[in-house]
Amino acid sequence: GAGVSQSPSNKVTEKGKDVELRCDPISGHTALYWYRQSLGQGLEFLIYFQGNSAPDKSGLPSDRFSAERTGGSVSTLTIQRTQQEDSAVYLCASSSGNYNEQFFGPGTRLTVL
Amino acid sequence: DQQVKQNSPSLSVQEGRISILNCDYTNSMFDYFLWYKKYPAEGPTFLISISSIKDKNEDGRFTVFLNKSAKHLSLHIVPSQPGDSAVYFCAGMNYGGSQGNLIFGKGTKLSVKP
Repeated sequence: GAGVSQSPSNKVTEKGKDVELRCDPISGHTALYWYRQSLGQGLEFLIYFQGNSAPDKSGLPSDRFSAERTGGSVSTLTIQRTQQEDSAVYLCASSSGNYNEQFFGPGTRLTVL
Repeated sequence: DQQVKQNSPSLSVQEGRISILNCDYTNSMFDYFLWYKKYPAEGPTFLISISSIKDKNEDGRFTVFLNKSAKHLSLHIVPSQPGDSAVYFCAGMNYGGSQGNLIFGKGTKLSVKP
């Protein structure tokens, strides 16, 4: 069956530009998470959506980062005025409930020049 | 402040032998621990988990041990196979606080040599 998909798989951008990263979760999964993995680091939690509840934005590193989830399905992570330190692999995961197994997408590798 | 620590960035093991991956944590509020496995260019996949009320969970070749007093857990793979070569992430979860987001360590890269 279809797993979590993310697009683009790779994104190279210039410092100062805005980027949008997309996540298509597994159909029917109500919970959606964004993480990022910087070079040599573990996966860092960014933001969490559960159903129609207000998202948990506690992991977003700055106000340049935002995310939305339309119709309880597709999610878009937006990074404004990108900086070189934003370079990382951005991973999306979905699960059928708050504490159920999280299924990860393949990630988007973002490179900010 | 790293709540989950995997102090060995890499581990090399001969095929057929045991692989032991270690993980330490500082957050005593964690009540669930998970191991994820990650191949290059793929997302992490769930491997095995353990509740904080248990000290051992076994699934085939994979066993996770939890020592709560030492805030330490380990993943044992026996016998190790070349296909086990991947990066292994340890993660903790606090049911009561975090709404399910995982706190990950930096990972250990396991290489199993034929």
